[in-house]
Amino acid sequence: EIVLTQSPGTLSLSPGESATLSCTSSHSLSTSYLTWFQQRPGQAPRLLIYGTSTRATGIPDRFSGSGSGTYFTLTISRLEPEDFAVYYCQQYGGSPAITFGQGTRLEIK
Amino acid sequence: EVHLVQSEPAVTRPGTAMKISCKVSGYTFSDYYIHWVQQAPGKGLEWMGLIDPEDGETDYSEKFQGRVAITADTSTDTVYMTLSSVRSEDTAVYYCARWVPAATSSFLQDWGQGTLVTVSS
Repeated sequence: EIVLTQSPGTLSLSPGESATLSCTSSHSLSTSYLTWFQQRPGQAPRLLIYGTSTRATGIPDRFSGSGSGTYFTLTISRLEPEDFAVYYCQQYGGSPAITFGQGTRLEIK
Repeated sequence: EVHLVQSEPAVTRPGTAMKISCKVSGYTFSDYYIHWVQQAPGKGLEWMGLIDPEDGETDYSEKFQGRVAITADTSTDTVYMTLSSVRSEDTAVYYCARWVPAATSSFLQDWGQGTLVTVSS
């Protein structure tokens, strides 16, 4: 089973600052199938980044993704109040077919 | 515009089965896989399984294998997820999501609003 470990568990920052969220895989991943989601309280997950670095439709360029192999990052620059949420990385292609990281909570400092 | 509309919240007794629906619109039903994801209160996302609505082929997580069944009704463009022998740990919000293949990637692009199922006697 491919295990995704996200760090930190919680990140406390102020609006205007930049955030770097990490996702480490137990096995090397195809960059094609590493995805990031944002989830606000009471809402369904929202697709942010797919294929490691491609922003989904409507996602501002403050969000960027990078990585390869077993280490991937999501960077959010110039944090806006609506960015404070929980972020999940997700992979496809292992067994089970899809696994999620445990999430990083981005909270206002 | 793509929509995935799930059934209303429900309360289910321990040991029985729960069934949630996900009605899709805005695209050709048989062209895209539908996945189901569980989220227990205050917890993360857990993948349960998927279905290819075109032929009904499924793939399930080992965690839920034997208890979960995902079916598709092409006459109503609706996917169903049944979880049997439910227990308190199955209390969760359940999401359906559409799997979209792109040129060099694939991803869960569109999500239902979620259905809260409470297991309680």
